[in-house]
Amino acid sequence: GENVEQHPSTLSVQEGDSAVIKCTYSDSASNYFPWYKQELGKGPQLIIDIRSNVGEKKDQRIAVTLNKTAKHFSLHITETQPEDSAVYFCAASNQAGTALIFGKGTTLSVSS
Amino acid sequence: EAQVTQNPRYLITVTGKKLTVTCSQNMNHEYMSWYRQDPGLGLRQIYYSMNVEVTDKGDVPEGYKVSRKEKRNFPLILESPSPNQTSLYFCASSFGPGGYEQYFGPGTRLTVT
Repeated sequence: GENVEQHPSTLSVQEGDSAVIKCTYSDSASNYFPWYKQELGKGPQLIIDIRSNVGEKKDQRIAVTLNKTAKHFSLHITETQPEDSAVYFCAASNQAGTALIFGKGTTLSVSS
Repeated sequence: EAQVTQNPRYLITVTGKKLTVTCSQNMNHEYMSWYRQDPGLGLRQIYYSMNVEVTDKGDVPEGYKVSRKEKRNFPLILESPSPNQTSLYFCASSFGPGGYEQYFGPGTRLTVT
């Protein structure tokens, strides 16, 4: 079935370093790829998304890249800060366009 | 303020005792969805609704029911809860299904003993 693999499951970086989280998806019909951030005790919140007709998108310290041929996309966070510590989820739209398939999440810890 | 609300936020119950978790959104969204979040498994969709009176199964629907009688409300019903339904539940809403930002509620932590 449709699947989204996310790596790594945990990531620890020093404040100011960059962090990269990678996801691969199985369905070539997927055309929407959002990233969500979940802080402790809260629901996930969209931080950036990309559609299949775009290769890269940037928003301040956050960027997402998409390689449709290889069916993978990545989240890049530069100049990390302690408040970036959270669980990050990637997702891909399913073939029917009726839902998002989520990766299992990456716990990012930024130490000062 | 645009938001998705869920109630209750925390619930401890016993096996077999029917319960309902309510979800309401004030953004006039057509699409609503329920997820469960378990350690190491991420977010898995239980049920979704494309509009009033239109609901369909997600990836893990067994043991759950939903209804969508009004656009703003999408309750999750556990007719006979079991311990394997102990989880963190999230309701979400969006303007449309797979290609739109989903707005998540704050979550409901359910424990079934």
